[in-house]
Amino acid sequence: SQQGEEDPQALSIQEGENATMNCSYKTSINNLQWYRQNSGRGLVHLILIRSNEREKHSGRLRVTLDTSKKSSSLLITASRAADTASYFCAPMEYGNKLVFGAGTILRVKS
Amino acid sequence: GAVVSQHPSRVICKSGTSVKIECRSLDFQATTMFWYRQFPKQSLMLMATSNEGSKATYEQGVEKDKFLINHASLTLSTLTVTSAHPEDSSFYICSARDFEGPGNTIYFGEGSWLTVV
Repeated sequence: SQQGEEDPQALSIQEGENATMNCSYKTSINNLQWYRQNSGRGLVHLILIRSNEREKHSGRLRVTLDTSKKSSSLLITASRAADTASYFCAPMEYGNKLVFGAGTILRVKS
Repeated sequence: GAVVSQHPSRVICKSGTSVKIECRSLDFQATTMFWYRQFPKQSLMLMATSNEGSKATYEQGVEKDKFLINHASLTLSTLTVTSAHPEDSSFYICSARDFEGPGNTIYFGEGSWLTVV
Protein backbone atom coordinates (compact mmCIF):
# COMPACT_ATOMS: atom_id res chain seq x y z
CA SER A 1 0.00 0.00 0.00
CA GLN A 2 1.11 3.54 -0.45
CA GLN A 3 0.09 6.89 0.83
CA GLY A 4 -0.92 9.87 -1.21
CA GLU A 5 0.44 13.21 -0.16
CA GLU A 6 -1.93 16.12 -0.71
CA ASP A 7 -0.92 19.68 -1.35
CA PRO A 8 -1.69 22.29 -0.15
CA GLN A 9 -2.51 21.32 3.42
CA ALA A 10 -5.12 24.04 3.59
CA LEU A 11 -6.88 26.17 1.01
CA SER A 12 -9.24 29.07 1.57
CA ILE A 13 -11.18 30.57 -1.35
CA GLN A 14 -14.25 32.63 -2.07
CA GLU A 15 -17.47 31.06 -3.26
CA GLY A 16 -17.51 30.86 -7.05
CA GLU A 17 -13.76 30.47 -7.38
CA ASN A 18 -12.05 27.28 -8.49
CA ALA A 19 -10.13 25.08 -6.07
CA THR A 20 -7.21 22.91 -7.12
CA MET A 21 -5.68 20.24 -4.94
CA ASN A 22 -2.69 18.13 -5.82
CA CYS A 23 -1.63 14.64 -4.89
CA SER A 24 1.71 12.90 -5.26
CA TYR A 25 2.56 9.27 -4.74
CA LYS A 26 5.60 7.04 -5.00
CA THR A 27 5.05 3.78 -6.85
CA SER A 28 3.00 2.34 -9.69
CA ILE A 29 -0.74 2.31 -9.26
CA ASN A 30 -3.78 0.59 -10.69
CA ASN A 31 -6.04 3.54 -10.00
CA LEU A 32 -6.34 6.62 -7.84
CA GLN A 33 -9.44 7.62 -5.89
CA TRP A 34 -10.44 10.96 -4.39
CA TYR A 35 -12.58 11.28 -1.30
CA ARG A 36 -14.24 14.11 0.61
CA GLN A 37 -14.80 14.18 4.34
CA ASN A 38 -17.04 16.65 6.07
CA SER A 39 -16.16 17.32 9.67
CA GLY A 40 -17.11 14.39 11.90
CA ARG A 41 -18.52 12.33 9.05
CA GLY A 42 -17.46 9.40 6.93
CA LEU A 43 -15.67 9.65 3.62
CA VAL A 44 -17.59 10.20 0.43
CA HIS A 45 -16.17 8.68 -2.73
CA LEU A 46 -15.83 11.39 -5.37
CA ILE A 47 -14.12 9.93 -8.37
CA LEU A 48 -11.87 7.08 -9.49
CA ILE A 49 -9.37 7.46 -12.28
CA ARG A 50 -7.60 4.45 -13.73
CA SER A 51 -3.90 4.39 -14.49
CA ASN A 52 -4.57 4.41 -18.25
CA GLU A 53 -6.78 7.50 -18.01
CA ARG A 54 -5.47 11.06 -18.06
CA GLU A 55 -8.54 13.05 -17.19
CA LYS A 56 -11.97 12.43 -15.81
CA HIS A 57 -14.96 14.64 -15.12
CA SER A 58 -17.87 14.36 -12.75
CA GLY A 59 -20.14 17.37 -12.47
CA ARG A 60 -18.01 20.25 -11.16
CA LEU A 61 -15.08 17.94 -10.49
CA ARG A 62 -12.18 17.39 -12.84
CA VAL A 63 -9.42 14.95 -12.00
CA THR A 64 -6.19 14.55 -13.90
CA LEU A 65 -3.58 11.86 -13.59
CA ASP A 66 0.02 11.97 -14.75
CA THR A 67 1.59 8.58 -14.11
CA SER A 68 4.97 9.73 -15.42
CA LYS A 69 5.11 12.36 -12.68
CA LYS A 70 3.20 10.21 -10.20
CA SER A 71 0.77 12.99 -9.53
CA SER A 72 -2.91 13.77 -9.69
CA SER A 73 -4.98 16.89 -9.29
CA LEU A 74 -8.56 17.55 -8.28
CA LEU A 75 -10.21 20.70 -9.58
CA ILE A 76 -13.51 21.89 -8.16
CA THR A 77 -15.03 24.56 -10.34
CA ALA A 78 -17.43 27.26 -9.20
CA SER A 79 -16.97 26.31 -5.59
CA ARG A 80 -19.78 26.51 -3.05
CA ALA A 81 -19.79 26.86 0.70
CA ALA A 82 -20.98 23.24 0.86
CA ASP A 83 -17.69 22.15 -0.71
CA THR A 84 -15.96 23.05 2.55
CA ALA A 85 -14.41 19.76 3.70
CA SER A 86 -11.20 17.76 3.81
CA TYR A 87 -10.14 16.09 0.59
CA PHE A 88 -8.02 12.97 0.38
CA CYS A 89 -6.42 11.18 -2.52
CA ALA A 90 -5.88 7.44 -2.39
CA PRO A 91 -3.43 5.92 -4.88
CA MET A 92 -4.16 2.26 -5.14
CA GLU A 93 -2.18 -0.74 -6.23
CA TYR A 94 -4.39 -3.59 -7.40
CA GLY A 95 -6.24 -5.27 -4.54
CA ASN A 96 -4.42 -3.24 -1.96
CA LYS A 97 -5.54 -1.21 1.01
CA LEU A 98 -5.97 2.54 1.26
CA VAL A 99 -3.57 4.50 3.41
CA PHE A 100 -4.37 8.17 3.77
CA GLY A 101 -2.21 11.23 3.94
CA ALA A 102 -3.06 14.37 5.83
CA GLY A 103 -5.47 15.63 3.19
CA THR A 104 -6.26 19.14 2.02
CA ILE A 105 -8.62 21.18 4.15
CA LEU A 106 -10.72 23.32 1.83
CA ARG A 107 -12.67 26.27 3.16
CA VAL A 108 -15.04 28.05 0.84
CA LYS A 109 -16.16 31.41 2.15
CA SER A 110 -19.55 32.77 1.20
CA GLY B 1 -22.85 4.75 -5.54
CA ALA B 2 -22.62 1.74 -3.30
CA VAL B 3 -23.64 2.17 0.31
CA VAL B 4 -21.84 1.12 3.43
CA SER B 5 -23.81 1.32 6.65
CA GLN B 6 -22.16 1.69 10.01
CA HIS B 7 -23.91 1.29 13.35
CA PRO B 8 -24.12 2.78 15.89
CA SER B 9 -23.26 6.29 14.79
CA ARG B 10 -22.63 7.33 18.38
CA VAL B 11 -22.06 5.25 21.49
CA ILE B 12 -21.12 6.03 25.05
CA CYS B 13 -19.83 3.25 27.25
CA LYS B 14 -18.30 2.89 30.67
CA SER B 15 -14.65 2.08 31.22
CA GLY B 16 -14.03 -1.63 31.31
CA THR B 17 -16.97 -2.58 29.15
CA SER B 18 -16.90 -3.74 25.54
CA VAL B 19 -18.63 -2.14 22.62
CA LYS B 20 -19.36 -3.51 19.17
CA ILE B 21 -19.52 -1.51 15.95
CA GLU B 22 -21.07 -3.00 12.83
CA CYS B 23 -20.18 -2.31 9.22
CA ARG B 24 -22.46 -3.54 6.45
CA SER B 25 -22.23 -3.33 2.70
CA LEU B 26 -25.81 -2.81 1.61
CA ASP B 27 -25.82 -3.45 -2.12
CA PHE B 28 -22.64 -5.32 -2.85
CA GLN B 29 -20.61 -8.18 -1.48
CA ALA B 30 -17.46 -7.10 0.28
CA THR B 31 -14.86 -9.80 0.70
CA THR B 32 -12.56 -7.17 2.15
CA MET B 33 -13.38 -4.47 4.67
CA PHE B 34 -11.11 -2.02 6.43
CA TRP B 35 -11.27 -0.37 9.84
CA TYR B 36 -9.85 3.07 10.51
CA ARG B 37 -9.53 5.29 13.52
CA GLN B 38 -9.44 9.06 13.36
CA PHE B 39 -8.49 11.55 16.04
CA PRO B 40 -9.77 15.12 15.89
CA LYS B 41 -8.22 17.17 13.09
CA GLN B 42 -6.06 14.24 12.02
CA SER B 43 -6.10 11.87 9.10
CA LEU B 44 -7.46 8.36 9.12
CA MET B 45 -5.25 5.69 10.60
CA LEU B 46 -5.69 2.20 9.19
CA MET B 47 -6.19 -0.29 12.01
CA ALA B 48 -6.82 -3.57 10.24
CA THR B 49 -7.94 -5.31 7.08
CA SER B 50 -10.80 -7.73 7.46
CA ASN B 51 -11.25 -10.60 5.03
CA GLU B 52 -14.41 -12.66 4.95
CA GLY B 53 -13.93 -16.04 6.56
CA SER B 54 -10.39 -15.46 7.76
CA LYS B 55 -8.52 -13.64 10.48
CA ALA B 56 -8.05 -9.92 10.23
CA THR B 57 -4.67 -8.45 9.40
CA TYR B 58 -3.70 -5.77 11.89
CA GLU B 59 -1.44 -2.82 11.26
CA GLN B 60 1.66 -2.41 13.35
CA GLY B 61 0.93 -1.06 16.79
CA VAL B 62 -2.73 -2.06 16.85
CA GLU B 63 -3.60 -4.53 19.60
CA LYS B 64 -5.57 -7.38 18.10
CA ASP B 65 -6.85 -8.53 21.48
CA LYS B 66 -8.09 -5.05 22.19
CA PHE B 67 -9.78 -4.47 18.86
CA LEU B 68 -11.50 -7.68 17.84
CA ILE B 69 -12.55 -7.86 14.22
CA ASN B 70 -14.94 -10.44 12.81
CA HIS B 71 -15.92 -10.68 9.16
CA ALA B 72 -18.43 -13.50 9.28
CA SER B 73 -20.29 -12.81 6.05
CA LEU B 74 -19.79 -11.10 2.72
CA THR B 75 -21.74 -8.08 3.90
CA LEU B 76 -20.87 -7.69 7.57
CA SER B 77 -17.76 -6.94 9.56
CA THR B 78 -17.72 -6.03 13.23
CA LEU B 79 -15.20 -4.24 15.41
CA THR B 80 -15.38 -4.90 19.14
CA VAL B 81 -13.44 -2.61 21.44
CA THR B 82 -12.81 -4.74 24.50
CA SER B 83 -12.26 -3.45 28.02
CA ALA B 84 -12.63 0.08 26.76
CA HIS B 85 -10.70 2.95 28.32
CA PRO B 86 -11.13 6.69 27.87
CA GLU B 87 -8.14 6.77 25.51
CA ASP B 88 -10.09 4.50 23.15
CA SER B 89 -12.54 7.35 22.62
CA SER B 90 -12.31 8.19 18.96
CA PHE B 91 -14.05 8.22 15.61
CA TYR B 92 -14.02 4.77 13.98
CA ILE B 93 -14.73 4.39 10.27
CA CYS B 94 -15.10 1.26 8.20
CA SER B 95 -14.82 0.82 4.47
CA ALA B 96 -15.58 -1.97 2.05
CA ARG B 97 -14.10 -2.89 -1.29
CA ASP B 98 -16.48 -3.53 -4.16
CA PHE B 99 -14.49 -6.01 -6.22
CA GLU B 100 -17.15 -6.21 -8.88
CA GLY B 101 -17.36 -2.46 -9.25
CA PRO B 102 -15.15 -0.40 -11.55
CA GLY B 103 -11.57 -0.30 -10.39
CA ASN B 104 -12.17 -1.91 -7.02
CA THR B 105 -13.81 1.18 -5.60
CA ILE B 106 -13.70 1.40 -1.82
CA TYR B 107 -16.73 2.89 -0.09
CA PHE B 108 -16.81 4.27 3.43
CA GLY B 109 -19.37 4.19 6.19
CA GLU B 110 -20.51 7.28 8.06
CA GLY B 111 -18.34 6.49 11.04
CA SER B 112 -19.01 5.78 14.69
CA TRP B 113 -18.20 8.12 17.55
CA LEU B 114 -17.11 6.20 20.61
CA THR B 115 -16.91 7.94 23.98
CA VAL B 116 -15.64 5.97 26.95
CA VAL B 117 -16.47 7.50 30.31
